[in-house]
Order: sequence, then structure tokens, then C-alpha cells
Amino acid sequence: AQTVTQSQPEMSVQEAETVTLSCTYDTSESDYYLFWYKQPPSRQMILVIRQEAYKQQNATENRFSVNFQKAAKSFSLKISDSQLGDAAMYFCAYRSGHTGKLIFGQGTTLQVKP
Amino acid sequence: NAGVTQTPKFQVLKTGQSMTLQCAQDMNHEYMSWYRQDPGMGLRLIHYSVGAGITDQGEVPNGYNVSRSTTEDFPLRLLSAAPSQTSVYFCASSYSEGYSSGNTIYFGEGSWLTVV
Repeated sequence: AQTVTQSQPEMSVQEAETVTLSCTYDTSESDYYLFWYKQPPSRQMILVIRQEAYKQQNATENRFSVNFQKAAKSFSLKISDSQLGDAAMYFCAYRSGHTGKLIFGQGTTLQVKP
Repeated sequence: NAGVTQTPKFQVLKTGQSMTLQCAQDMNHEYMSWYRQDPGMGLRLIHYSVGAGITDQGEVPNGYNVSRSTTEDFPLRLLSAAPSQTSVYFCASSYSEGYSSGNTIYFGEGSWLTVV
């Protein structure tokens, strides 16, 4: 079975600084997708970034980028120039390319200090 | 998230009662799933479905039943509610073709369930 682990329950960053959230996963599948989702206090699930397993190039979306290390099964999220609006819970997620099943890590609460 | 509708939004149940959380989508998505969110546990997959008539268990299926008689609906049934089922429940849906293309996954707004 696949698993997703986020080992940082809470992180803090100063406004305008850079922070990296960690995520590791375990799978024996070769076809899968990885995601980072943001969940503000409203509980809405907002897609931040996605990465296809077969793509070696790290995905980037504006201030958000990932470091995808396939051999190490690591998928970290880097937030540059952190803003107050980035404060939220962040979830790493794995989606199987075979079954479509989507599973999440435990989440990391990000605090942004002004 | 207008495409995935969850009802009710809030519910209080007594231990032992049964109830059904409704999830409906109007995007003709084959894939639908239910999650529960508890503090410090993230979102845990309860059950999922890849099409009408097809369901499978997720990470925490005990105490919950599902069925998928239509493409649009994926109800989650609590047969005999327990305080441990107090949680926020999310329904999610997406197209099922080309999973690895990262098709957009749509989430409902959540259902807050309290079992006393």
C-alpha cells in the first residue's frame, strides 16, 4: 500500500523569506502523480502544485516550486517570498495512476510572521 | 467547488444512530471518494469509486458503507454512529481517465459531524 508522510506538524517563516515543507512517500508503482494542497481555515482544498512522476523537471507555479527526488521518494514544497496569505495547512498527496486512489499526508501547519 | 455538493453541512448524532452523508457532482466524473479529517491526522481515505457499481475501501473503511448506483451520487452511510466518527468529512471527484495526467480533483465544502 502507498503511504505519504509529512514529518513537520508545524513550520514558521518570516514574511518575504523562503520556507520548505517536506514530504516523503512510499510506493511500488511507477505511474503516479504528486500534489501539494493548501487548506486555509475555511477548509477549502486549494491545489498549489502538481508533479507527474515520469517528468524529471521540477514543477513550478509562481512562488511555489517542488524538489522532486524520485529515487528518494521525496517531494518537498518550497515557498519563496512568503506572504501572510500563505498561512494555512499544507497537505502532500499521492495519486495512483493505476487505481486513481488519492491519499494524503498528515499535513503541515504553516505560520507566516509579519 | 460548485461542482461537488455535500449535504448536510452540519449534523449532530447520538451514539448508535445511523445517517447518510450525501455527495453529488454534475461533472460526469467517474471517480468519487470520501475522506475524514481529524486534527493531526490529515485527510484519510474512507472509500472510493471509479464508476457506477464499483467501490473499494480506503485507509479507514470500518463503520462506513458506500454504494454507487449512479455516476452523480456517492452517499456515505454510518450504520451505527460512534463518538470516534466525530470528524469533518470531505467528498472529492474527478475524471478517471488518465490519472497520471493529474486531472483536477474537485472537493466538496465538507460536512461537520458530531457524535455524542
